[in-house]
Amino acid sequence: AQSVTQPDIHITVSEGASLELRCNYSYGATPYLFWYVQSPGQGLQLLLKYFSGDTLVQGIKGFEAEFKRSQSSFNLRKPSVHWSDAAEYFCAVGLNYGGSQGNLIFGKGTKLSVKP
Amino acid sequence: ETGVTQTPRHLVMGMTNKKSLKCEQHLGHNAMYWYKQSAKKPLELMFVYNFKEQTENNSVPSRFSPECPNSSHLFLHLHTLQPEDSALYLCASSQEAGGTDTQYFGPGTRLTVL
Repeated sequence: AQSVTQPDIHITVSEGASLELRCNYSYGATPYLFWYVQSPGQGLQLLLKYFSGDTLVQGIKGFEAEFKRSQSSFNLRKPSVHWSDAAEYFCAVGLNYGGSQGNLIFGKGTKLSVKP
Repeated sequence: ETGVTQTPRHLVMGMTNKKSLKCEQHLGHNAMYWYKQSAKKPLELMFVYNFKEQTENNSVPSRFSPECPNSSHLFLHLHTLQPEDSALYLCASSQEAGGTDTQYFGPGTRLTVL
């Protein structure tokens, strides 16, 4: 069955340090991959997405993610974390069954805390 | 108003009450979704509407009743809920239904069932 795994429930990094959030997926076909961020009391905001082409994807707020088919991974990175990046991050895989069928499968999320 | 809006933002209801959640999207999209977000669980897709027609119902109990009068509005009618239904309910929209279009989310309604 299709699934998304985010192995880290909670990560704490110091402001200015680099960040990598892990995401692994299980899906037989070519995946459509997304990273969303959720600030407290808010909905989800799209950070970036991968459909095809260059496996290194640039997103908003200085984030990037790399698609590695051999590892079934789509890890999110940022070279220097800001205090405002503290939030919960969700990886999702888009299932495409053709036409209007198919949905997003979300991971359980990784909560990021930032130390001053 | 831009994006996806949801009202109310917070709702407290007893198990015998009837209430409705409202979602409106200002993006010209054709698909709308209801998700449930509970603590420590992944987002659960509840319903999908594409061009006002329901295309998915993920085995949601009948105490949740969706309504989509047009492509811009989506409602979730609630009746005789259980305490375990307390959660954040998120609405989303996308250009077309399916797993390949980017979904845009509203801020959610925080529901507490007493």
